[in-house]
Amino acid sequence: DAKTTQPPSMDCAEGRAANLPCNHSTISGNEYVYWYRQIHSQGPQYIIHGLKNNETNEMASLIITEDRKSSTLILPHATLRDTAVYYCNLIQGAQKLVFGQGTRLTINP
Amino acid sequence: NAGVMQNPRHLVRRRGQEARLRCSPMKGHSHVYWYRQLPEEGLKFMVYLQKENIIDESGMPKERFSAEFPKEGPSILRIQQVVRGDSAAYFCASSPYPLKTNEKLFFGSGTQLSVL
Repeated sequence: DAKTTQPPSMDCAEGRAANLPCNHSTISGNEYVYWYRQIHSQGPQYIIHGLKNNETNEMASLIITEDRKSSTLILPHATLRDTAVYYCNLIQGAQKLVFGQGTRLTINP
Repeated sequence: NAGVMQNPRHLVRRRGQEARLRCSPMKGHSHVYWYRQLPEEGLKFMVYLQKENIIDESGMPKERFSAEFPKEGPSILRIQQVVRGDSAAYFCASSPYPLKTNEKLFFGSGTQLSVL
């Protein structure tokens, strides 16, 4: 998998939108951007993925820049239960998902 | 449709014993992945199996660790002669198709192995 870069930690107030950035400047044309999260001690959970277009599901929105060199995961109304480590990954032709260090997001009351 | 089931949830072993961790993938999923998470560290890929075949074991320690995914039954991660450094959370994930086909992984709740 190509390398991604994420800030090690972020804070967000409960009820506000949490915007988590991810840089992937070496992304290739057919690589998808995937986001997972791991809530403390639990198994990772798939959130969303996309290729070129912005995506939205019941959990989050994914905004991918036009040049695809970066993306942002948006949790529109963060709750305390969204406190977790968020991982941004690139997958294309890969046989395995390799996790980086992720961003530790803390939602504050 | 039940999720990925891992058991036991917690496993305690003494040094030198064997540990067997089980993973039942979601129904219809024939691709299984094992990950290890040491305390306060990230998730490390160990092995990828597809029914009866090991596809990628690049993350498996060369000694004492083995994995299988038989035609019938759960996938098993086996650790022989455990040492304290094996204490970790072991997560299993499954998918119906290979990741390269734009698939996503479904993870189990993990097995916490403690070696005394």
